[in-house]
Amino acid sequence: GENVEQHPSTLSVQEGDSAVIKCTYSDSASNYFPWYKQELGKRPQLIIDIRSNVGEKKDQRIAVTLNKTAKHFSLHITETQPEDSAVYFCASSGSARQLTFGSGTQLTVLP
Amino acid sequence: GAGVSQSPSNKVTEKGKDVELRCDPISGHTALYWYRQRLGQGLEFLIYFQGNSAPDKSGLPSDRFSAERTGESVSTLTIQRTQQEDSAVYLCASSFSSGANVLTFGAGSRLTVL
Repeated sequence: GENVEQHPSTLSVQEGDSAVIKCTYSDSASNYFPWYKQELGKRPQLIIDIRSNVGEKKDQRIAVTLNKTAKHFSLHITETQPEDSAVYFCASSGSARQLTFGSGTQLTVLP
Repeated sequence: GAGVSQSPSNKVTEKGKDVELRCDPISGHTALYWYRQRLGQGLEFLIYFQGNSAPDKSGLPSDRFSAERTGESVSTLTIQRTQQEDSAVYLCASSFSSGANVLTFGAGSRLTVL
């Protein structure tokens, strides 16, 4: 089955700096790569997703890049704010078309 | 409904008892997932239902765990003879069609096994 690895497990940045979280996947048939944000005590919520027919997608301060050849994708958050502090999960669809999640990254934005 | 509903929101049980957790997905969503999330940990896949296809049960940790889904509606996750290590938040999520679509999560059922 699909295997998704996510790094780093924890990330601290100063407010206003950028944050980058990286994921690799194993199944070359994967074609859908979402990112979820989970605030403390809350449910995961989708923040951005990308499909395999594009290499980059941007939504305000958030962007995702995809390299299908290398089988990795990354989340970029610019001009970080304290409310960006949360756990972020990447996921990949795999050939079974069910989502497999990475292990998560705890992002802390320091004021 | 407007979102994915889960019940109960909190359940405290004694070791050895059976528990049932319920998930009511968004109307029209054919795909339904159960995940387990231990405190401070990631999302552990348990089971996946897609329409009338046979469910993918590959994530169920033991034969004490089982799940059913009635058509494309309500799902029930059952844990028999609960153990302390079963303590976690159990999250249900649903999506249109296959998993290659946006998942909407429920608020979860927090299970505490004493």
